[in-house]
Amino acid sequence: EVQVVESGGGLIQPGGSLRLSCAASKFTVSSDCMSWVRQAPGKGLEWVAVIYTGGTTYSADSVKGRLTIARDNSKNTLFLQMNSLRAEDTAVYYCARGSLGTYYGLDVWGQGTTVTVSS
Amino acid sequence: QSALTQPASVSGSPGQSITISCTGTTSDVGSYNSVSWYQQHPAKAPKLLIYDVSNRPSGVSNRFSGSKSGNTASLTISGLQAEDEADYYCSSYTSSSTPYVFGTGTKVTVL
Repeated sequence: EVQVVESGGGLIQPGGSLRLSCAASKFTVSSDCMSWVRQAPGKGLEWVAVIYTGGTTYSADSVKGRLTIARDNSKNTLFLQMNSLRAEDTAVYYCARGSLGTYYGLDVWGQGTTVTVSS
Repeated sequence: QSALTQPASVSGSPGQSITISCTGTTSDVGSYNSVSWYQQHPAKAPKLLIYDVSNRPSGVSNRFSGSKSGNTASLTISGLQAEDEADYYCSSYTSSSTPYVFGTGTKVTVL
């Protein structure tokens, strides 16, 4: 079954760092567009970052310079490096594959990993 | 980049059809045939229903259909069923520095 599984979430103090992982099965992360999407408690979805097949990355203005998307092709794993964390980064973080259509509809989602930023 | 605008809630009776709107600007919805729609049940991951405005992934019911006119995209659910009660989000590619944006979300209630 094609799937992604996130890990690495937890409780972290403001200003701290965390690295989320997303392990892919039955497909290659380098062959598809991969995104991170987050959802704060009781709120809507917020797109965080994307990495395209060629390696180009983009991130939301709200996280630029602090949250960085990357992948390890040898491990078939996507990452989100999270630095200088703030309370407003508290959310469930989803990894998703974008493989459908011209604009990469997100067709495979993980179960999410929860990040809580609090002292 | 501001979120796309969706109604907070839409409701309907079983068997009816409902439509959820998603309003953006000429920088996103109006310029690209990129709108996707996602369904999210409580405490679950989102599920892709529609991509590139009107295309359904394999396995998605044909009761879900998408369209676009100008800066507004729409998701129509026909033959409403109890299992359709969920939150729905649109998404679009944008020409801004943030290439993708989600809508504000719509809670669908089946009466």
